[in-house]
Amino acid sequence: KAGVTQTPRYLIKTRGQQVTLSCSPISGHRSVSWYQQTPGQGLQFLFEYFSETQRNKGNFPGRFSGRQFSNSRSEMNVSTLELGDSALYLCASSPRLAGVLGEQYFGPGTRLTVT
Amino acid sequence: DAKTTQPTSMDCAEGRAANLPCNHSTISGNEYVYWYRQIHSQGPQYIIHGLKNNETNEMASLIITEDRKSSTLILPHATLRDTAVYYCIVSEAGGTSYGKLTFGQGTILTVHP
Repeated sequence: KAGVTQTPRYLIKTRGQQVTLSCSPISGHRSVSWYQQTPGQGLQFLFEYFSETQRNKGNFPGRFSGRQFSNSRSEMNVSTLELGDSALYLCASSPRLAGVLGEQYFGPGTRLTVT
Repeated sequence: DAKTTQPTSMDCAEGRAANLPCNHSTISGNEYVYWYRQIHSQGPQYIIHGLKNNETNEMASLIITEDRKSSTLILPHATLRDTAVYYCIVSEAGGTSYGKLTFGQGTILTVHP
């Protein structure tokens, strides 16, 4: 089974621009979570989608948004980029068994650099 | 979610068992213990999880104390490739924790030749 894939792997943007990152979950997984990892804050949860609905959201400003498509693929968007948005953005998919968080399988991440 | 406490770093000799402790004294009855690891510059990797009973898979064993206030991840025969940051996470089964893992600082495990 193919793992979680994320595109692009590396990205350089300028302050004020917007960016869209893509995540393809493991086949059959319907839950997709997004995380931001920085040296200062570590790994922080952004949001989770299941069946095209956002079910959970972390403590990030509204500039961070996402969506999920009917095939479970997900995108996250960051508008009006700031220097502090430079980070590794990780996507994780889960089979999400009923009532149990279960294990999450992470992709390799997208390294975003904002200049 | 309950907070966890892990040592900042640990060393282990290659071929020996690595025992990584985690304290989660405020864990509640419906919260699971999860272990993940992150090798440098890669996404975190799921290792194992459990609720009450000890668990074992092809990667590791998880020992949870009877009062569930602490646990130990055991890598039976550590190799150099096991050098990574190991995260112990406590999370409830559903509700507001759907899809959310709260990562702490983890334990940096260094396996020496």
